[in-house]
Amino acid sequence: DIQMTQSPSSLSASVGDRVTITCRASQGIRNDLGWYQQKPGKAPKRLIYAASNLQSGVPSRFSGSGSGTEFTLTISSLQPEDFATYYCLQHNSYPWTFGQGTKVEIK
Amino acid sequence: QVQLQESGPGLVKPSETLSLTCAVSGYSISSGYSWGWVRQPPGKGLEWIGSIYHSGGTYYDPSPKSRVTISVDTSKNQFSLKLSSVTAADTAVYYCARAYSGYDYWGQGTLVTVSS
Repeated sequence: DIQMTQSPSSLSASVGDRVTITCRASQGIRNDLGWYQQKPGKAPKRLIYAASNLQSGVPSRFSGSGSGTEFTLTISSLQPEDFATYYCLQHNSYPWTFGQGTKVEIK
Repeated sequence: QVQLQESGPGLVKPSETLSLTCAVSGYSISSGYSWGWVRQPPGKGLEWIGSIYHSGGTYYDPSPKSRVTISVDTSKNQFSLKLSSVTAADTAVYYCARAYSGYDYWGQGTLVTVSS
């Protein structure tokens, strides 16, 4: 099974900050990775697919990069509505696996 | 617009079988893609349970694999999850989702509590 190691597990940031979250795969997964945002009591929402493609309707301050085993989600200028938990998901091979999540909190 | 809606009992007794259905609207399951189930225990992260293709092929997570069955009913445009011999550890919000380069559409989720 492919393990996804996501870091950090939590972070505190201020509005306007640049935020970076990383996921590392235990083996190469090409670009078969997505990033999801989840707010309390809500279903996850996909932000990025195929590692670097912005989901329709998602603000351009979100971006993704990486291929193979290392992937990054960047929020260029954190906004109040971005405080949430973020997860990566690899869908290269079964079983699909999520990262442990990164909770982005207000500083 | 594709929409998914989970339904099923919110309370299941230990050792019994959890059964959930996901009704899909705005897209015909028989047209393609795969369809999956994800769960989230209270206060914890997302856990992948398994997927089913429109043709009926299935993939399950090794952890609850022997207890999980996912099926599809194209005539009703829905797919289902059965999890047998449940324990308190199976208490979670269960989500259904459509798989297209990961999961693009999700249901709102339904809380299932395992308790006597």
